[in-house]
Amino acid sequence: ELKVEQNPLFLSMQEGKNYTIYCNYSTTSDRLYWYRQDPGKSLESLFVLLSNGAVKQEGRLMASLDTKARLSTLHITAAVHDLSATYFCAVDTSGATNKLIFGTGTLLAVQP
Amino acid sequence: DTGVSQNPRHKITKRGQNVTFRCDPISEHNRLYWYRQTLGQGPEFLTYFQNEAQLEKSRLLSDRFSAERPKGSFSTLEIQRTEQGDSAMYLCASSLGNRDEQYFGPGTRLTVT
Repeated sequence: ELKVEQNPLFLSMQEGKNYTIYCNYSTTSDRLYWYRQDPGKSLESLFVLLSNGAVKQEGRLMASLDTKARLSTLHITAAVHDLSATYFCAVDTSGATNKLIFGTGTLLAVQP
Repeated sequence: DTGVSQNPRHKITKRGQNVTFRCDPISEHNRLYWYRQTLGQGPEFLTYFQNEAQLEKSRLLSDRFSAERPKGSFSTLEIQRTEQGDSAMYLCASSLGNRDEQYFGPGTRLTVT
């Protein structure tokens, strides 16, 4: 059974600092998603990573995928308060269903 | 083109009552998924439809839960005899086809008192 682990679970950081969130998964997959969720809201798609070595950047966020290591990272550069949210990675299980298996989430709090 | 819509957005019910949620996917999306998210956790897969056919159900979907997608358009998720443990956000997502990105709706937050 596919398992997805994120760390850290909680991250408190100061504005202007850099940090990385890690997403490890247990079985082969070549498709991974990153989402942002604000309190009480639904999921906002951030990145779709479709192949080994994929790297995507949007503003202060950059995501990468290493399918051989079964690892994805979400790097935050020069954090600002508006980035405070919970971030989830989700792995596509492939097969017929393509259901997503989500990580536990990382609650990011950016302090001014 | 509008996104995925869900109704109601919030539902408060007493334990033992039945509730029904509706999801309208993006038009022409063949696949429709239901997920459940409890507080502090990531969403968990409940069930999936390819057009009108329900092709997979999670073990999380007890006998009190039933989902339908008549005519392959909107879907409903019914929970019978609700329990406090059913309190969660119920998310619906749709995708065009196999291996296409899933687009999530705003969710229905259920509170069972």
